Amino acid sequence: EPEVTQTPSHQVTQMGQEVILRCVPISNHLYFYWYRQILGQKVEFLVSFYNNEISEKSEIFDDQFSVERPDGSNFTLKIRSTKLEDSAMYFCASSTYRNTEAFFGQGTRLTVV
Amino acid sequence: TQLLEQSPQFLSIQEGENLTVYCNSSSVFSSLQWYRQEPGEGPVLLVTVVTGGEVKKLKRLTFQFGDARKDSSLHITAAQPGDTGLYLCAGAGNNQGGKLIFGQGTELSVKP
Repeated sequence: EPEVTQTPSHQVTQMGQEVILRCVPISNHLYFYWYRQILGQKVEFLVSFYNNEISEKSEIFDDQFSVERPDGSNFTLKIRSTKLEDSAMYFCASSTYRNTEAFFGQGTRLTVV
Repeated sequence: TQLLEQSPQFLSIQEGENLTVYCNSSSVFSSLQWYRQEPGEGPVLLVTVVTGGEVKKLKRLTFQFGDARKDSSLHITAAQPGDTGLYLCAGAGNNQGGKLIFGQGTELSVKP
């Protein structure tokens, strides 16, 4: 069964460092998303990406964040200068079209120290 | 701002009991998805409901979308310990980007 895969599963980084979280969405999907979940809190939308550009982004997705689809398969989230409050589980998701079923990866646990 | 409120937040029941989880909003959603999430893992899609009044069944799980597409419910019949987990509802609005709005989740514990 096709699935969304994310790497790494766990990343520890020092405050101020750049991190790149990687995702391989389901191959025939057209919409790609990043969400995050701070421990004990709701899953929060960060950004959606379609046709090689951002479709929508939340207030959380400020200038420190960027997304890219560098090739036909990978979808990345970059945080330029990490802060302690960026510590969270980051989930990649993909869907065939917008507002259709979204399938999530297993997540990357980011710990900023 | 679209919000989804789930209730109850915590539910502890005995094996064999029935339960209902509610997901409510003042906003209309174009579709609503139910997920189950295990600790440290990503949400796993259970079902998507699209049409107002729609009812979908997945074995012992029954999902309903309200007529006005503002609310949904998940009913589990004869709960089993394997049903233990975090259940999340997520609504898709009419926005361009396909964003999902998540409820805060219902933590279900089914004791043998």
